[in-house]
Amino acid sequence: GESVGLHLPTLSVQEGDNSIINCAYSNSASDYFIWYKQESGKGPQFIIDIRSNMDKRQGQRVTVLLNKTVKHLSLQIAATQPGDSAVYFCAETRDGNKLVFGAGTILRVKS
Amino acid sequence: EPEVTQTPSHQVTQMGQEVILRCVPISNHLYFYWYRQILGQKVEFLVSFYNNEISEKSEIFDDQFSVERPDGSNFTLKIRSTKLEDSAMYFCASMGTPSSIGYEQYFGPGTRLTVT
Repeated sequence: GESVGLHLPTLSVQEGDNSIINCAYSNSASDYFIWYKQESGKGPQFIIDIRSNMDKRQGQRVTVLLNKTVKHLSLQIAATQPGDSAVYFCAETRDGNKLVFGAGTILRVKS
Repeated sequence: EPEVTQTPSHQVTQMGQEVILRCVPISNHLYFYWYRQILGQKVEFLVSFYNNEISEKSEIFDDQFSVERPDGSNFTLKIRSTKLEDSAMYFCASMGTPSSIGYEQYFGPGTRLTVT
């Protein structure tokens, strides 16, 4: 069946350091992947996406890496700030219709 | 910046009652979705809606659930007879025309449904 990122780890980083959040997916038919940020009491907020025909995509302070060989997705946040503290979810889709979310990773930024 | 809005922010209802959760998607979007998130768990897909009909639904979306786009701006989720296990955060999302990159779904702030 489909499953993405079955763990809910916590990542604690010092302000200014780089953060790397990882996600595993199992559906090799998925062709589009997204990272969402969720702050307490709010809905998921789109961060960055990547298609399966790419292995890297960069945004402002964020980079997503896709390794299809091992079905692994990562989100890199440069110069992490206190405002980056949130739960981060990866999500996958095969047809753009239904997003399958991972369990999430809690990012805590220490000042 | 356009955003998805949802009302109410919190709904408390008794088991067996009907509830309607309301969403106003981003105005030029064509694809609409409902997801839910039980406390401490991951976000789960419920249903997608396009061109005035359901395009896909999950196993969770049984006969107790229905969706409607009653006018040009609202998108609603109705639960006919609520159960305790329906307690969750319900998120509405919308998407415009898929881009060359992919399918960017924008989420609303959610409605917290508490069934007692």
